[in-house]
Parts: sequence; structure tokens; C-alpha cells
Amino acid sequence: QKEVEQDPGPLSVPEGAIVSLNCTYSNSAFQYFMWYRQYSRKGPELLMYTYSSGNKEDGRFTAQVDKSSKYISLFIRDSQPSDSATYLCAMNTNAGKSTFGDGTTLTVKP
Amino acid sequence: DAGVTQSPTHLIKTRGQQVTLRCSPKSGHDTVSWYQQALGQGPQFIFQYYEEEERQRGNFPDRFSGHQFPNYSSELNVNALLLGDSALYLCASSSSGGRNTEAFFGQGTRLTVV
Repeated sequence: QKEVEQDPGPLSVPEGAIVSLNCTYSNSAFQYFMWYRQYSRKGPELLMYTYSSGNKEDGRFTAQVDKSSKYISLFIRDSQPSDSATYLCAMNTNAGKSTFGDGTTLTVKP
Repeated sequence: DAGVTQSPTHLIKTRGQQVTLRCSPKSGHDTVSWYQQALGQGPQFIFQYYEEEERQRGNFPDRFSGHQFPNYSSELNVNALLLGDSALYLCASSSSGGRNTEAFFGQGTRLTVV
């Protein structure tokens, strides 16, 4: 079993919808939790990172971490067609190495 | 700021050959990590370089080796290429020896082994 499991999708929503992306993990030593966006044939782009449990908001994006459940989420409000991409969750123990999920592909239809 | 730059962008090699991929980190960053991303999967950590030394290594065979230069740029070498080595190879740079989780990725090098 993988250390990080991510809902595989694909996910297709209408423009303006609220999107929920989720990951679960098994390594309780993870302390930092990141969300990356990856467009086709491009490198991942860091959207947000959170330390330990709690919420973090940045514009239309909200990241939530529940360490007790080993569950993290990314919410996208008022989704736009430009949000169409693959979203990757990643985690690390502050030791440099990040462990990634396999990504969820999101399509936002106009 | 040029960000993280990788070269080449695409590469086709034959089984058994050797390949070298290059990465220049973002200005101000001193740590370089390499990842392999197979189609439909998330990036897998290969290794990380800081102060010209390999600090951490993932579950990759010794055919994968690397180097970091005094200007913080880095190379990834893969010997005896296998068909399964076909993937997008990503370089990520960060600061503070990797303790800074704000890693920036390059566009990647797409390697095809035939």
C-alpha cells in the first residue's frame, strides 16, 4: 500500500462549482502538507503548504489538514476553466524528501 | 528570475545507453532534488543534493547517480537505460538545505527509452 493515497478522479465540474480534492496517508511522521497543480506537460507548481493540522486559505483555495485522521483536503471555490489541471498532494517529514500522491485530474467546464 | 531550468526538454535514447540531465536552480536556492514521474503517477523522489553532497536517496538503483556543482546546479546521470526508465524527470530547488518546503519545480525533461 502506498504511503499517500489520492482520489484518482477524473473529476469534471461546471464553472463556478466548489471542488474538493482529498488525500489520505499512513506515515504519522509527516509534518508538512503541500498541494501542487500540474498542467499537461509542465512541472508541478506549488499552490499551498500547511504545517501540521489546521486550515489555510489563499484566495479561492483552502487547504485543510486533519492529522488525527491522516486526511488532507484542498477546496477550490468558484472554480474556473483555468483551474483544469492535475492536482497533486505531497507530504514530508521536514527531511527534504516529499512523497506525492498520484494526482487527481480536474476539468472545469465553461 | 528565470526559475528552475532543465535541459534538454526532450530526449530519446536506446536501451543500454547512458543519459545526463541538467538542472539550474532558482536564484537564491542551494538545494536540488530530482524526481521521476511516470505517466499517470505522482513524482517519485530519486535523491537530493545539498552542499555538493547527496543527502537523501529514494528507492532507486545505483544506475541513477548525480552531482551538484559549486554554483548549485546539478546533473542526473542514468546508466544502462531500461525501457522502464522512460518518464518525466523533474528537478526541484529549495533553500536551507531542503528544510524549506517551498520547492519550485522545473518543466522537466521527458526521456523516452526505445
